[in-house]
Amino acid sequence: EDQVTQSPEALRLQEGESSSLNCSYTVSGLRGLFWYRQDPGKGPEFLFTLYSAGEEKEKERLKATLTKKESFLHITAPKPEDSATYLCAVRASGGSYIPTFGRGTSLIVHP
Amino acid sequence: SAVISQKPSRDICQRGTSLTIQCQVDSQVTMMFWYRQQPGQSLTLIATANQGSEATYESGFVIDKFPISRPNLTFSTLTVSNMSPEDSSIYLCSVERQGIEKLFFGSGTQLSVL
Repeated sequence: EDQVTQSPEALRLQEGESSSLNCSYTVSGLRGLFWYRQDPGKGPEFLFTLYSAGEEKEKERLKATLTKKESFLHITAPKPEDSATYLCAVRASGGSYIPTFGRGTSLIVHP
Repeated sequence: SAVISQKPSRDICQRGTSLTIQCQVDSQVTMMFWYRQQPGQSLTLIATANQGSEATYESGFVIDKFPISRPNLTFSTLTVSNMSPEDSSIYLCSVERQGIEKLFFGSGTQLSVL
């Protein structure tokens, strides 16, 4: 059974204080790992897809990296507008096409 | 990207009643999904809405409780039937475009059952 564990559950940062969010996964064969951002009262918004170990993707202050067992979402010099819940999901290469989601990390960036 | 309109955005309902949630997409999509998001929990897939045929339900979800319609490639509804307080949750419509392996989500329906 595919599993996704995100840590920490919640993270509070000061503006400008860089940090990383972790997504550990267990999947029979990885087709893709996805990061989403979710603001309160809204649906998740797609950020990145990573397909193979060693791959990295960047968008503004966010950089996602992937190993064979986990992914990190690095946030460099965060701003208050980066406050949101960040969700990780994996899709297996065989069997069900349905992605498995983690519970998310709630990030609050204080000014 | 895909523009997804989901209605209502929130509702407060009485126990034993039913609520129908609508999902309208700005263009034709092959795959449409309905998710539930409970506080502190991960997104849980309820069912895949199939155009022209019965929805495919995940384990723990049944058609009598969550009937789904998909009359065409741009529209779907999810009904939460005979509601109880345990049904209080956020319900999300999601679509995937063919050849693009990422999900697009509606803004969600915040349901509270008293």
